[in-house]
Amino acid sequence: DQQVKQNSPSLSVQEGRISILNCDYTNSMFDYFLWYKKYPAEGPTFLISISSIKDKNEDGRFTVFLNKSAKHLSLHIVPSQPGDSAVYFCAASETSGTYKYIFGTGTRLKVLA
Amino acid sequence: EPEVTQTPSHQVTQMGQEVILRCVPISNHLYFYWYRQILGQKVEFLVSFYNNEISEKSEIFDDQFSVERPDGSNFTLKIRSTKLEDSAMYFCASRRRSTEAFFGQGTRLTVV
Repeated sequence: DQQVKQNSPSLSVQEGRISILNCDYTNSMFDYFLWYKKYPAEGPTFLISISSIKDKNEDGRFTVFLNKSAKHLSLHIVPSQPGDSAVYFCAASETSGTYKYIFGTGTRLKVLA
Repeated sequence: EPEVTQTPSHQVTQMGQEVILRCVPISNHLYFYWYRQILGQKVEFLVSFYNNEISEKSEIFDDQFSVERPDGSNFTLKIRSTKLEDSAMYFCASRRRSTEAFFGQGTRLTVV
């Protein structure tokens, strides 16, 4: 029962270029989406979120795009930096409920200097 | 910057023993959660807690698990009789109303 999927387990990008991380979901009740970054042996760190009433949210180098009809969201990082190398998880929740997060399996991003 | 604090960072326990994982959420937060991540797998929801009671729990959160907020600051997860498959990173999270959740650094539980 994979309600949130990240189909790319890993991604390598050159420093300065754009990183695009993708996430798909199946539950149409999800209306709040987030991206978290995680280093080994640390907890997830919040990056950016988007409500289903929007299709784009931007914060500095990070932009999240939401395509509700395709049940797809993506995280763009521009420009990518070596410090961005980490595992990125997308998460989804229903704001009418307890706001529990359903996480994807993660994408390991490696930014090459 | 306020943060969620978890102790211990690593706990090794024998199978069948009880463990208590401790968390201090951010002080003005109202909603509390436990998640876990088995090595190499995704982060999974265990339980949510609001207004001094469990608001939702997953299938994983069976009768061996319990949560408490005994004193208004700590939030604990107890596993009554640990099994090998309970070995995982356990993350506590908290949030205010309508905001993102902040996660602690995690407790690595190793059951031997």
